[in-house]
Amino acid sequence: GQQVMQIPQYQHVQEGEDFTTYCNSSTTLSNIQWYKQRPGGHPVFLIQLVKSGEVKKQKRLTFQFGEAKKNSSLHITATQTTDVGTYFCAGLSGGSYIPTFGRGTSLIVHP
Amino acid sequence: DTEVTQTPKHLVMGMTNKKSLKCEQHMGHRAMYWYKQKAKKPPELMFVYSYEKLSINESVPSRFSPECPNSSLLNLHLHALQPEDSALYLCASAEVDSKNIQYFGAGTRLSVL
Repeated sequence: GQQVMQIPQYQHVQEGEDFTTYCNSSTTLSNIQWYKQRPGGHPVFLIQLVKSGEVKKQKRLTFQFGEAKKNSSLHITATQTTDVGTYFCAGLSGGSYIPTFGRGTSLIVHP
Repeated sequence: DTEVTQTPKHLVMGMTNKKSLKCEQHMGHRAMYWYKQKAKKPPELMFVYSYEKLSINESVPSRFSPECPNSSLLNLHLHALQPEDSALYLCASAEVDSKNIQYFGAGTRLSVL
């Protein structure tokens, strides 16, 4: 079945440093979604990428979808303590309406 | 209204108890999901309802029994749970389309003693 690998599992950064998390799928995806879960909270949808090579920005967050639609990344510029949480990618492929979640990357920002 | 409401927020139950988790959404979404999430892990899919019919059961033990009384409500009935069932139970809803963006509730944090 489809697998979505996400690395790293944890990332410690000093406030102001950049952060990147990567997702790789074993199959070609129709789209990929990113979610953020704050400590003690629930996953909240951030963005969806659909097109090959797509790049989208939300303030300090940059999301990319690979040309082959099998990998994606989330980059945060100049992290802040409010960025703390676990970032999950979730891929959909074929005609499935069930997203497959990556294991998540937990971001810890040290002030 | 982009909210999915789950009750209760916290639940402690013994292994012989029967309890129910409730989920409600008013976004007109026709797909509703139950996920189980353990600490430091991604959400793990349990059940999917599409147009009020159970479409996916991810080999979940029968001590978990889902119910979808109507398009806005989703229940999860619990009976004879084990301590290893302690987890955060998340409900989500989505439109049945190619985007399938999941809107999660705040979850029920369940402890089984």
